Amino acid sequence: QMQLQQWGAGLLKPSETLSLTCAVYGESFSDSFSDYYWSWIRQPPGKGLEWIGEINHSGNTNYNPSLKSRVTVSVDTSKNQFSLKLSSVTAADTAVYYCARRTTVVYYFNNWGQGTLVTVSS
Amino acid sequence: QSALTQPPSASGSPGQSVTISCTGTSSDVGGYNYVSWYQQEPGTAPKLMIYEVSKRPSGVPNRFSGSKSGNTASLTVSGLQAEDEADYYCSSYADTNNLIFGGGTKLTVL
Repeated sequence: QMQLQQWGAGLLKPSETLSLTCAVYGESFSDSFSDYYWSWIRQPPGKGLEWIGEINHSGNTNYNPSLKSRVTVSVDTSKNQFSLKLSSVTAADTAVYYCARRTTVVYYFNNWGQGTLVTVSS
Repeated sequence: QSALTQPPSASGSPGQSVTISCTGTSSDVGGYNYVSWYQQEPGTAPKLMIYEVSKRPSGVPNRFSGSKSGNTASLTVSGLQAEDEADYYCSSYADTNNLIFGGGTKLTVL
């Protein structure tokens, strides 16, 4: 059964760049890669979910318009991993960040990582 | 794109039915049949409960059902059970190549 496992720095200072990575286990990334969008979603403490952005096998990306200027999602197929970078973070970026997978042409997520709490504080 | 609007809380007694609404616009909920619902328990990742307005993934009890009318989608939980107590989030595809979530509803089983 496919699993997503994520990691990254949990404490950042304002203006730094958030960097998280999500690895795919349980199936070949290259075999399944073309069928999916690999996504990032976040949830500030006590608040709702916010979609950040995603990437597909062709390197096509879609980003939340409100975050687009600061977000980069990339993929490393040789490592079965995809990554998120969010630049110039502020306290408002403090959240639990999830990686997730959705099948191309559908718009729901049925595979999620465990979540990583990222705190931005001086 | 603004978040979808959900009531912050909902409640019902065991065995009763409860409906949670999710209101958007013609650019998201009303324009596409790509509404999904997630259940989230404290400290865990969301779990998909309904997709494409009314479809249930394998393993989700048929007590959970979804519907849509105009710009408002709804999740109904029938025959409430204590284990249904959780936060529920709706989500929808939105113009263009965007995905938005609702603010979440805390469901309490009295």
